[in-house]
Amino acid sequence: GQQLNQSPQSMFIQEGEDVSMNCTSSSIFNTWLWYKQEPGEGPVLLIALYKAGELTSNGRLTAQFGITRKDSFLNISASIPSDVGIYFCAGIIISSGSARQLTFGSGTQLTVLP
Amino acid sequence: EAQVTQNPRYLITVTGKKLTVTCSQNMNHEYMSWYRQDPGLGLRQIYYSMNVEVTDKGDVPEGYKVSRKEKRNFPLILESPSPNQTSLYFCATSGGVGYTFGSGTRLTVV
Repeated sequence: GQQLNQSPQSMFIQEGEDVSMNCTSSSIFNTWLWYKQEPGEGPVLLIALYKAGELTSNGRLTAQFGITRKDSFLNISASIPSDVGIYFCAGIIISSGSARQLTFGSGTQLTVLP
Repeated sequence: EAQVTQNPRYLITVTGKKLTVTCSQNMNHEYMSWYRQDPGLGLRQIYYSMNVEVTDKGDVPEGYKVSRKEKRNFPLILESPSPNQTSLYFCATSGGVGYTFGSGTRLTVV
């Protein structure tokens, strides 16, 4: 299947700092999604991006769909302790055969230090 | 409340003993899927189902079976579990673009 390269793998930041993570692929995606997973829970959707170049915000989170449709980034501003978790990018290729196939990146483990 | 319910949450079993992990959704979604999550590998798709009686392999289907006899349920079956199937499993459903995930099943095969 398609592969998404997500970086960094982990981050340790001070509370109040901004965070940036990104995903790249050799494949073109129709949609990019960003999820957050907290311990003991399943991933929860944060932001969905549908068009190349689209920039979308959700509170302190901002994500962009790359112009080439092969990459996306997620920024978190003014981090707080509850931002701790694993962040996943995911891409969707919509085709006539397999429809909504979702491919995940390997995740970014975020730790926020007080 | 929209829910994806997996059972059990935790399971320890022995090699070769058949097991089933259940998944149920109350959103009337046609699309359901199973993922496994392993450190450093993210979530990898095992099987998915586009509708009742329609299932297909994902990226890592070996050693697993699924069935979709009714829209709300999508059980994951391990006929003969092996230690390399020790993992965290998630069921997910989709009615559009985003997926809704269950809370996970942590399986250990010894």
